[in-house]
Amino acid sequence: DAGVIQSPRHEVTEMGQEVTLRCKPISGHDYLFWYRQTMMRGLELLIYFNNNVPIDDSGMPEDRFSAKMPNASFSTLKIQPSEPRDSAVYFCASSFFINEQFFGPGTRLTVL
Amino acid sequence: QQQVKQSPQSLIVQKGGISIINCAYENTAFDYFPWYQQFPGKGPALLIAIRPDVSEKKEGRFTISFNKSAKQFSLHIMDSQPGDSVTYFCAPRGYQKVTFGTGTKLQVIP
Repeated sequence: DAGVIQSPRHEVTEMGQEVTLRCKPISGHDYLFWYRQTMMRGLELLIYFNNNVPIDDSGMPEDRFSAKMPNASFSTLKIQPSEPRDSAVYFCASSFFINEQFFGPGTRLTVL
Repeated sequence: QQQVKQSPQSLIVQKGGISIINCAYENTAFDYFPWYQQFPGKGPALLIAIRPDVSEKKEGRFTISFNKSAKQFSLHIMDSQPGDSVTYFCAPRGYQKVTFGTGTKLQVIP
């Protein structure tokens, strides 16, 4: 397996634009996580899914953020409209049951 | 998210010394206790993990000590090396319960 795949790897956009981050988890994994990492706030869990169902979205900062998992092999994290304070590295991770989380390479988002 | 307290936030250790990072949790439903290591520019990766049926697990220079009654587990890095100078996270888990610690930045000095 190629591991967790994220796209794009880098995204530069202007304030107010919509941003969509994509994630393909490892095949067979039933949990998918979205994290955000900044120097100021560290690593934050935004939302996670179990069997494509959102379980806990309490970490989503505000309504501008939304996440979907239409099937077991794909998830998106959308920010609309984006703001400069959303600039961060966004990680997707997946796991099988209560086991090791495998992280993707991350998407570095810069909002100008 | 379930509350987890990781300490210290940063740590400086002499080369060859022992680095100790602690994680205290509240939720007794956690049943998987991992430590992750994150290198710059990369996502965290599993370093070592323990299940609650044992009190200690050792893999090379890395040891997890688990104290179920105190609801704490710790990472010990023996013979610390400059290459260990990265960030470490505890991330206890249970069914439908996920959390990550705030991270410890370790610096091993010659």
